[in-house]
Amino acid sequence: EAGVAQSPRYKIIEKRQSVAFWCNPISGHATLYWYQQILGQGPKLLIQFQNNGVVDDSQLPKDRFSAERLKGVDSTLKIQPAKLEDSAVYLCASSLDLSGKGGEQFFGPGTRLTVL
Amino acid sequence: ILNVEQSPQSLHVQEGDSTNFTCSFPSSNFYALHWYRWETAKSPEALFVMTLNGDEKKKGRISATLNTKEGYSYLYIKGSQPEDSATYLCATVPGSQGNLIFGKGTKLSVKP
Repeated sequence: EAGVAQSPRYKIIEKRQSVAFWCNPISGHATLYWYQQILGQGPKLLIQFQNNGVVDDSQLPKDRFSAERLKGVDSTLKIQPAKLEDSAVYLCASSLDLSGKGGEQFFGPGTRLTVL
Repeated sequence: ILNVEQSPQSLHVQEGDSTNFTCSFPSSNFYALHWYRWETAKSPEALFVMTLNGDEKKKGRISATLNTKEGYSYLYIKGSQPEDSATYLCATVPGSQGNLIFGKGTKLSVKP
């Protein structure tokens, strides 16, 4: 079974530029998550999708971050414009749990973003 | 806001040593606790999902216990090997919303 795929793996941009990350979850997984992991911190949930609907985006900085999951499969996370404090690893995860209630999550390898 | 605390922050052990880490979390409104292992440049890998007070789970040389009444979980590694070097993350699921709240992790280095 293929795992969660993410691209790119690494990205370096200058502040005020835009960047987009892509995630392909495990086939059949209804729930998809985007996490931000800043160095020295634990991963923090940015947004949770169930199929193509948003379940929780309470911690997404909506003035600069946006995410979509068209057709309930792949997802993209965009930052526009980027700030220095956005430097982090962006993890995508998916879960088979249709209820979205605490089931095991399967993570991709992450995208490491550096904002200069 | 829930705080999940992990200790120690980092740990250096010799190959063959046994070791353990602690994860502390608010005991109220508990639903589940997850342990993940995250090796550098790889995907975080689920080790255990635990829900019941007193639960003990084992996978090879790694085991975990859960005390939901006092709000802690221990992760044990018996006979550490260099390939166990990774960051070990715990995360709680408060209520039944399904969102993981992670601790900062314990970074383990095992020297051959």
